[in-house]
Amino acid sequence: QAGLTQPPSVSKDLRQTATFTCTGNSNNVGNEGAAWLQQHQGHPPKLLSYRNNNRPSGISERFSASRSGNTASLTITGLQPEDEADYYCSAWDSSLSAHVFGTGTKVTVL
Amino acid sequence: QVQLVQSGTEVKKPGASVMVSCKASGYTFTDNYMHWVRQAPGQGLEWMGWINPNNGGINYAQNFQGRVTMTRDTSISTAYMELSRLSSDDTAVYYCTRHGDYFDYWGQGTLVTVSS
Repeated sequence: QAGLTQPPSVSKDLRQTATFTCTGNSNNVGNEGAAWLQQHQGHPPKLLSYRNNNRPSGISERFSASRSGNTASLTITGLQPEDEADYYCSAWDSSLSAHVFGTGTKVTVL
Repeated sequence: QVQLVQSGTEVKKPGASVMVSCKASGYTFTDNYMHWVRQAPGQGLEWMGWINPNNGGINYAQNFQGRVTMTRDTSISTAYMELSRLSSDDTAVYYCTRHGDYFDYWGQGTLVTVSS
């Protein structure tokens, strides 16, 4: 099944801002938007946002999501050491009747 | 608080089947679809399908159709995922995840290793 495309890695300095994208098509990201998940090594994923920029309770405001057309973006402001993790986008694909995930972006905080 | 607790590590031989369980607590089990997602070593996330605990309705990802079976036992708030005809490519951590506000709660993961 087709997935969503993310940059493999992003590296930024402590306290800087990181933004990275998730590109899909009109059947998934462009339709109902994307969710974003954070995964630390050896742990299950954690939901950061859903339907583009709704944050579950307890998720820091430093994480914000947006969408333009078929591309979703996640921005992390004021990068902290604990933000080092893998980040995945996900969306429902109406043509596949399936959930699809992004290829994942590894964030490194320098 | 919502918790999803999965069964333990499995080691299987090629051609065998594996069943992973996911016991839910802290919410009404039949109110939310349960999804299964797997992650091969060093790889990304792969969606396997969902089950509607309310009526047992299922939707399997095309990649797994014919090999995966998702069931549930509402009396013990537990969902199950069985994968058959295992090969080394099925070595992965298998997660259950509740669909509330999208995939809002996850199990701890179950490592399934397929090796002769």
